[in-house]
Amino acid sequence: RKEVEQDPGPFNVPEGATVAFNCTYSNSASQSFFWYRQDCRKEPKLLMSVYSSGNEDGRFTAQLNRASQYISLLIRDSKLSDSATYLCVVNMRGGNTPLVFGKGTRLSVIA
Amino acid sequence: ETGVTQTPRHLVMGMTNKKSLKCEQHLGHNAMYWYKQSAKKPLELMFVYSLEERVENNSVPSRFSPECPNSSHLFLHLHTLQPEDSALYLCASSQEGQGEYTFGSGTRLTVV
Repeated sequence: RKEVEQDPGPFNVPEGATVAFNCTYSNSASQSFFWYRQDCRKEPKLLMSVYSSGNEDGRFTAQLNRASQYISLLIRDSKLSDSATYLCVVNMRGGNTPLVFGKGTRLSVIA
Repeated sequence: ETGVTQTPRHLVMGMTNKKSLKCEQHLGHNAMYWYKQSAKKPLELMFVYSLEERVENNSVPSRFSPECPNSSHLFLHLHTLQPEDSALYLCASSQEGQGEYTFGSGTRLTVV
């Protein structure tokens, strides 16, 4: 099983749609979780952290299900500018260990 | 300058060449990383430096040699590379233990 697994997409959605991305991780002892965004030919940037209680930042909602080792990202009212690759990122071993990145899910929002 | 700066942005090198990638961070972070990003693959961790000490070497071939002279600078020395080493090489920095990494723009390397 891959350490961090995501549906690669692409997801092609119209403006205004709601889209959800899922991610699973292999290590049940994983400590912290994040979603990063990577635009075409650019570097990844932190979008949001994922907390056990779930968290929301404007149109973006992140959820964590530790029992199922599953993380999700929901984007409401999609904008053209949301088109990017969304990377699921996990700190597998806690503490100071480096982050492990998923392959990413590509989103294209179409006018 | 702010953030994480990588040079050069693009590099084409022959298999017998020696070159170096440079990374500089102005964020006061104490950990720096080299990642490799190839097409259709996730980011692969290569090296981690924490407080200028290498703490992780992720089974990277010896033709890649990192150097961290101080907490703000990180180099990746390259020699006798193979065509399959062509990729985007990303440098990142963070406060140790924090999940917010700041990435540089990357060096797009082509080995011919």
